[in-house]
Amino acid sequence: GDSVTQMEGPVTLSEEAFLTINCTYTATGYPSLFWYVQYPGEGLQLLLKATKADDKGSNKGFEATYRKETTSFHLEKGSVQVSDSAVYFCALSEHSGTYKYIFGTGTRLKVLA
Amino acid sequence: DAGITQSPRHKVTETGTPVTLRCHQTENHRYMYWYRQDPGHGLRLIHYSYGVKDTDKGEVSDGYSVSRSKTEDFLLTLESATSSQTSVYFCAITSGTDQPQHFGDGTRLSIL
Repeated sequence: GDSVTQMEGPVTLSEEAFLTINCTYTATGYPSLFWYVQYPGEGLQLLLKATKADDKGSNKGFEATYRKETTSFHLEKGSVQVSDSAVYFCALSEHSGTYKYIFGTGTRLKVLA
Repeated sequence: DAGITQSPRHKVTETGTPVTLRCHQTENHRYMYWYRQDPGHGLRLIHYSYGVKDTDKGEVSDGYSVSRSKTEDFLLTLESATSSQTSVYFCAITSGTDQPQHFGDGTRLSIL
């Protein structure tokens, strides 16, 4: 079945450092891809999305490009802030009639001042 | 923000008791989902609904049942709670599976 693999955390960075969180997927067909962020005690919030190959999703300085050839959707940000400390989830939605979404296990990011 | 409310937000109960969690939406979205979140496991799908009275099992459905008698409400029931069902439960909704899900704030359930 479909799956999402994202890098293990925690990731600890200094403020203003460059961030990359890797995400790869396996899927039949052409899934939509998403990044979500979860702050302590809250639900998941959509950060960005991409629905087809070569699409770039972006929001709040975060970017990710849908790479079909490498089945990847890596999250990047050029300069992280302490307020970016959270858990980040990569996810895909299956387009095979099952109505399901598949999530990675999450990557915890800690940004130090 | 999408109108989605989970209740209760916190609950402590004893093993063997029935528990019902409620997810209420005001977006008129067709699809609704129940997940549980546990350390090291990310989000795991319990059950989902693709319309009124239309539901299906997810990967961790044992010990859980659901009902959806109207578009806006999706209920998750633990018929006889066990300690292994201690978790944080999230409801999510979406208008279509090419769209992102929107999540509630979660229910923290402790079973003693």
